[in-house]
Amino acid sequence: AQSVAQPEDQVNVAEGNPLTVKCTYSVSGNPYLFWYVQYPNRGLQFLLKYITGDNLVKGSYGFEAEFNKSQTSFHLKKPSALVSDSALYFCAVRVFNNAGNMLTFGGGTRLMVKP
Amino acid sequence: DGGITQSPKYLFRKEGQNVTLSCEQNLNHDAMYWYRQDPGQGLRLIYYSQIVNDFQKGDIAEGYSVSREKKESFPLTVTSAQKNPTAFYLCASSITSGSIYNEQFFGPGTRLTVL
Repeated sequence: AQSVAQPEDQVNVAEGNPLTVKCTYSVSGNPYLFWYVQYPNRGLQFLLKYITGDNLVKGSYGFEAEFNKSQTSFHLKKPSALVSDSALYFCAVRVFNNAGNMLTFGGGTRLMVKP
Repeated sequence: DGGITQSPKYLFRKEGQNVTLSCEQNLNHDAMYWYRQDPGQGLRLIYYSQIVNDFQKGDIAEGYSVSREKKESFPLTVTSAQKNPTAFYLCASSITSGSIYNEQFFGPGTRLTVL
């Protein structure tokens, strides 16, 4: 079965420090991976995606993610966290079935950035 | 939240009532999706539609129904058969469901509470 896992329910970081939100995946074939962010009572906003090419993917709001095939990981990173980055982050993988292809989401990681 | 609107933002339902959640998109996307989000959990797929007049069940379709009579509209009905409908409901769309490259765009969500 194709899936993603976000091993941390919450990540705490001080403003100005680097942040990492972890994601590991399990897929058969090539992985197509996505990160989304959700602010309270809002929909999900797309941050970045990995389809192929460079292992370091740059996205919105200064975020980037590193694809590591050997470790089956796609961790989200930012060099310097802002208080406004506090939100719920979801990793997702595209899965394939006879009807097309869908996204399967991880359980989410809440990022808390403290001043 | 892109060009996807959901209404209402908050909805209260009495037990035994059916309610319909609206989702409209002006992005000219072929594919549309409905997800359910519960506290501390990721998104679970309820129904999806790849094209007008066609839709398929997702992982948790029981107690829900949809229609896709127009490209821009994908309403979700929560029926009385859904035993635990209190949740945050998210609608999404993508250019097609068949392309691996296309991310999904999300609406702002509807929070449904059963009284």
